[in-house]
Amino acid sequence: GAGVSQSPSNKVTEKGKDVELRCDPISGHTALYWYRQRLGQGLEFLIYFQGNSAPDKSGLPSDRFSAERTGESVSTLTIQRTQQEDSAVYLCASSLGRAETQYFGPGTRLLVL
Amino acid sequence: GQQLNQSPQSMFIQEGEDVSMNCTSSSIFNTWLWYKQDPGEGPVLLIALYKAGELTSNGRLTAQFGITRKDSFLNISASIPSDVGIYFCAGGVNTGFQKLVFGTGTRLLVSP
Repeated sequence: GAGVSQSPSNKVTEKGKDVELRCDPISGHTALYWYRQRLGQGLEFLIYFQGNSAPDKSGLPSDRFSAERTGESVSTLTIQRTQQEDSAVYLCASSLGRAETQYFGPGTRLLVL
Repeated sequence: GQQLNQSPQSMFIQEGEDVSMNCTSSSIFNTWLWYKQDPGEGPVLLIALYKAGELTSNGRLTAQFGITRKDSFLNISASIPSDVGIYFCAGGVNTGFQKLVFGTGTRLLVSP
């Protein structure tokens, strides 16, 4: 079956521009996570969605970062006024439930010039 | 954000050798997970550990959840070229959901 998909695969933008990253979770997965992976580093938790509950935004690094999810489907991560330090791979994961195994997408590679 | 201490940072071994890597934390975790990440891909779960002291195998992989709940190790026996990749540990805390804290990764290279 289809796994987690993310788009675009790669994104190059200029400092100060806004970017929007998309995640399509596995069908039927109620939980969705966003992570950031800087070059040569592990993954950093950003935000968690579970069904229609309020998201856990405790990992968002600044108010320039926001994310939305429509029900139990697509999610978008938006970074406003991008900075060079935002350059990283942004990974999305989904799971069947809130304590279940997380399945990761291939990520979006963001480069801010 | 917080990251776990993972070592070694990288390893270059010969095919057939055994490999060991470990992860330590100053915090207690309820779950320890080990992931493998290939270039251009997201991490894939290899082994999940749910109880202190638990020793679990998955083929040539063996992992243990430390008794103190602050550490874990992963062993790979009889390595093969397709074992190449980056291995990440992750500690999980159930705060209403499985919130994962990842290690810094171990890059494994296997020479045929």
